[in-house]
Amino acid sequence: DIQMTQSPSSLSASVGDRVTITCRASQSIRNHLNWYQQKPGKAPNLLIYAASSLQSGVPSRFNGNGSGTDFTLTISSLQPEDFATYYCHQSYLTQYTFGQGTKLEIK
Amino acid sequence: EVQLVESGGDVVRPGGSLRLSCAASGFTFDDYGMSWVRQAPGKGLEWVSDINWNGGRTNYEDSVKGRFTISRDNAWNSLYLQMNGLRAEDTAFYYCARRADFGGVYSFDYWGQGTLVTVSS
Repeated sequence: DIQMTQSPSSLSASVGDRVTITCRASQSIRNHLNWYQQKPGKAPNLLIYAASSLQSGVPSRFNGNGSGTDFTLTISSLQPEDFATYYCHQSYLTQYTFGQGTKLEIK
Repeated sequence: EVQLVESGGDVVRPGGSLRLSCAASGFTFDDYGMSWVRQAPGKGLEWVSDINWNGGRTNYEDSVKGRFTISRDNAWNSLYLQMNGLRAEDTAFYYCARRADFGGVYSFDYWGQGTLVTVSS
């Protein structure tokens, strides 16, 4: 199975900050990497697919980058509604796997 | 509007069985593969199983192989997960998710609200 490792596991930031979350795959997954946002008590929501493509309806302050084994999700200017948990997800192999999550909290 | 509505979650004893359902609407169901993803309370996401558009190809996470069976009924726009031999570690919210194909890259673009399965004696 492909292991997905996110860092950091948690992050404190302020409204207006720029933050970056990293996801590393245990082997190359080309661009088969997706990012989701999950708020408490809610289902996950797709933000970025294929490493860098913005899902319809997602604000442009969200940006995905990377290929191979190293990927990043950057939020350019944090808004109050962005405080949530973020997960990366590889779909390169059918045994899909998720990162452990990054909880973004208000400082 | 795309909607996925799960049902069937319950409290069940270890070794017991449960069948989850997911009713889909707002899209052409048999154009899409579907997956089940679970989340233990307070924990991260874990993919469980996947099925292609006509049910001809299925995949399972290693810990559920031989115990869980995914299926679908395109006539009824429904996805199912038959869970047998349930264990305490299967306790989780179970989400059904639509598998979108973005030029060969799969992602889960719509999710249901989840149904809770609790395995406890």
